[in-house]
Amino acid sequence: AQTVTQSQPEMSVQEAETVTLSCTYDTSENNYYLFWYKQPPSRQMILVIRQEAYKQQNATENRFSVNFQKAAKSFSLKISDSQLGDTAMYFCAFVGGATNKLIFGTGTLLAVQP
Amino acid sequence: EPEVTQTPSHQVTQMGQEVILRCVPISNHLYFYWYRQILGQKVEFLVSFYNNEISEKSEIFDDQFSVERPDGSNFTLKIRSTKLEDSAMYFCASRAGTGLSGANVLTFGAGSRLTVL
Repeated sequence: AQTVTQSQPEMSVQEAETVTLSCTYDTSENNYYLFWYKQPPSRQMILVIRQEAYKQQNATENRFSVNFQKAAKSFSLKISDSQLGDTAMYFCAFVGGATNKLIFGTGTLLAVQP
Repeated sequence: EPEVTQTPSHQVTQMGQEVILRCVPISNHLYFYWYRQILGQKVEFLVSFYNNEISEKSEIFDDQFSVERPDGSNFTLKIRSTKLEDSAMYFCASRAGTGLSGANVLTFGAGSRLTVL
């Protein structure tokens, strides 16, 4: 069974600084997708970034980038130049194998301090 | 940009009452999902739906739950007799395709908050 683990329940960062959120996962699949979703106080789920497991190059979306280590089954999210609007819960998620359902981690609550 | 639309945004109901949560997926999407998030907890998969039938469901999705797509646009989640523990945020999601391609990205709705008293 696939599992997703986020070991940091809460994190805090100063505005304009860089922060890294950790995520590890467990799977026997070779082909899969990994995602980071942002959930602001409005509680909407917003896709931040995704990574295809077969791609060695780390995905980047503006200030957001990932460090994908397939052998270590690690998928961390780096937020550069943090902004107050980045304050949210961040969920790591996995999909792969015969099932098409997303499996979520428990989330990391990020607070960006002015 | 296309959106997944959910109604109502918030519903308060008495224990034992029936509730229907509605979703309008993105028009060219073929795969539909319901997820649940109890306050402060992680997002949990409930059910997936394709070609007018359930393709997968979790152990949470018991006989009290049902889904249907009655008119080709709405995708509904019905809870027959609500319990206190059904209080949660319910998210609808859809995607265009399956497999490991760019179409594999789920688009979520804004959620429907259900409060059972």
